[in-house]
Amino acid sequence: SYVLTQPPSVSVAPGQTASITCRGPNIGSQSVHWYQQKPGQAPVLIIYDDGDRPSGTPERFSGSKSGNTATLTISRVEAGDEADFFCQVWDTNADFFGTGTKVTVL
Amino acid sequence: QLHLQESGSGLVKPSQTLSLTCAVSGDFIRSRTYSWSWIRRPPGKGLEWVGFISPSGSTFYNPSLKRRLTISVDRSQNQFSLKLTSVTAADTAVYFCAGVSGDWFDPWGQGALVTVSS
Repeated sequence: SYVLTQPPSVSVAPGQTASITCRGPNIGSQSVHWYQQKPGQAPVLIIYDDGDRPSGTPERFSGSKSGNTATLTISRVEAGDEADFFCQVWDTNADFFGTGTKVTVL
Repeated sequence: QLHLQESGSGLVKPSQTLSLTCAVSGDFIRSRTYSWSWIRRPPGKGLEWVGFISPSGSTFYNPSLKRRLTISVDRSQNQFSLKLTSVTAADTAVYFCAGVSGDWFDPWGQGALVTVSS
C-alpha cells in the first residue's frame, strides 16, 4: 500500500508561518493536492497540482514540492486556519490520502 | 455551480449492506464531465478513499474494499450510489461524496455519518 506521511500535528502562533510536509516514495513524479477540513465540516480543496490555488483559496496558502516531499505553507496564520490538513495523490489506478496533520493556532 | 448531497441509512447492522446516494445538482451527471467518488473518515482517523466511477462508467475501487463495494450512476435521477456489503464496525465513518475533474476532489458533499451497530 502506498503511504503518504505527514506530521501528526503542527502548532503555530497567529501571524507566523506554518509548514506541513507530505512525504511519499513517488511524489516527485505525481501531482499533489491539499485539503483543509474543519471540525464538523467537509474537506475543502485548497491546493491542486502541487501549487495551484482554486478561486477562493487565500494567497496565504501555497504549495511546493522538492524531491519526494510536498509542502503546504500557510503564511500569516489566523485563528480560523485551525483544522486538519490532508495531502492526496493519484497513483496506479487508486487515490491515496496523507496521514493528516492537525494545525493548532496557539 | 455543482453541489452534492448525501443521503441514506445512518445505522446499519453488522453483516448487512450499507447504501448511500449522492444527489448531484444541475446537469453535471448527464454532461459526463466529472468522475464521481466516495471518501470516508472513520472516527478519530484520517481520510480514506473508497472508490470512484468515471464518465464512461469504469469503476476504480480501494483494493481493501473492492470485494464488498459497488459504485453506480443513475443518470435519469442525477445521482450516484455506494453499496458496501457485509459491513463491520470498522466501516463506521462519515461518508463523503465528491466530484472529480483532474485528479482532485472538488466539490464535496456535506457528509453522512454511518454507524455499524447491532
